[in-house]
Amino acid sequence: TQLLEQSPQFLSIQEGENLTVYCNSSSVFSSLQWYRQEPGEGPVLLVTVVTGGEVKKLKRLTFQFGDARKDSSLHITAAQTGDTGLYLCARGSQGNLIFGKGTKLSVKP
Amino acid sequence: NAGVTQTPKFQVLKTGQSMTLQCAQDMNHNSMYWYRQDPGMGLRLIYYSASEGTTDKGEVPNGYNVSRLNKREFSLRLESAAPSQTSVYFCASRGEWSNQPQHFGDGTRLSIL
Repeated sequence: TQLLEQSPQFLSIQEGENLTVYCNSSSVFSSLQWYRQEPGEGPVLLVTVVTGGEVKKLKRLTFQFGDARKDSSLHITAAQTGDTGLYLCARGSQGNLIFGKGTKLSVKP
Repeated sequence: NAGVTQTPKFQVLKTGQSMTLQCAQDMNHNSMYWYRQDPGMGLRLIYYSASEGTTDKGEVPNGYNVSRLNKREFSLRLESAAPSQTSVYFCASRGEWSNQPQHFGDGTRLSIL
């Protein structure tokens, strides 16, 4: 099984702080997707990264795909309460997705 | 903008009862998926359908059956519910290319007593 390890599992911070969450695998993957899931809803895609070393920005969120395409990170600058949710990474596998277990982020006012 | 619609949103069953979870998408997607989400376990694929008329097992298919009724609809059936099947179930669909995002419904919260 091509596992995706996400860390940390839980993160609780104050509004305005910066944070980074990680997604790692022992094997190379061709692409990686990041999703955010809010309570009571389904996951929603944030970004897809496909090229080693790629950096994508989405407002205060910065996504990086490792040079060796075995890891990815999500950095949030000046977190807001609206960033609270479960952040999931997912890799493609034979047309399907394999999800990590997620990082549950809580941003307190 | 309906996207992916799941029914029901909540359900409580007794052990041994059967039920069908319904999913419909209005994005003309070929691929559809059923996942379950348990605390600390992430999303696990139960069954998927790459196109109308085809279905395949995912990571955790035991105890479930599926039907791809037409291009829009993909249902998940529990024939004899067990407490271990208490979970939140998500349906998703995806366009033609594997790098495209999966679009999820809001889930069905199922409790089996």
